[in-house]
Amino acid sequence: DTGVSQDPRHKITKRGQNVTFRCDPISEHNRLYWYRQTLGQGPEFLTYFQNEAQLEKSRLLSDRFSAERPKGSFSTLEIQRTEQGDSAMYLCASSLGRDEQYFGPGTRLTVT
Amino acid sequence: GQNIDQPTEMTATEGAIVQINCTYQTSGFNGLFWYQQHAGEAPTFLSYNVLDGLEEKGRFSSFLSRSKGYSYLLLKELQMKDSASYLCAVNNAGNMLTFGGGTRLMVKP
Repeated sequence: DTGVSQDPRHKITKRGQNVTFRCDPISEHNRLYWYRQTLGQGPEFLTYFQNEAQLEKSRLLSDRFSAERPKGSFSTLEIQRTEQGDSAMYLCASSLGRDEQYFGPGTRLTVT
Repeated sequence: GQNIDQPTEMTATEGAIVQINCTYQTSGFNGLFWYQQHAGEAPTFLSYNVLDGLEEKGRFSSFLSRSKGYSYLLLKELQMKDSASYLCAVNNAGNMLTFGGGTRLMVKP
């Protein structure tokens, strides 16, 4: 399978814990995006990388959120001191330049 | 600011045609995308419009009018498997996608 992959697919954590998600984009894609989606809503942009450079961050991304793409390939999204409001589906997407974005299956986070 | 509006829900009959509208007001414009999302799954790309006019791709067509800030997705010969949410998204000059809330389409026999 050469699509976008995300790990884990589901994560249940207690409030206050830290969590980290991983995204592996389509190999030749230079752009990688993170979105958050809650039930019944469209995805909301969080941040985007071109190669290893993080070029844009949403104002939605509080200081508790950090993302990296150290070698311009896979990316990680970490949430520190999770809150119940962080419960959502975290989607990763990749693209080649400004072409259409291909989405991964998402990581569903539940904070109890 | 960014504002993308689309109907929340629509119902149509198998074999029929349905048009899902999307209006947008964004600070930049670099194209409009339509995605399909089945419940619990990732969005999948359907179509892309950057110039005014109609793009046809099999049973799906998408139209754009930049002057009116308006797009629609047309689905023909509806099938039960077309029951899904349809997301309108604008690529602004900063390359991120701004999504509408999605239109949940229910296809009935």
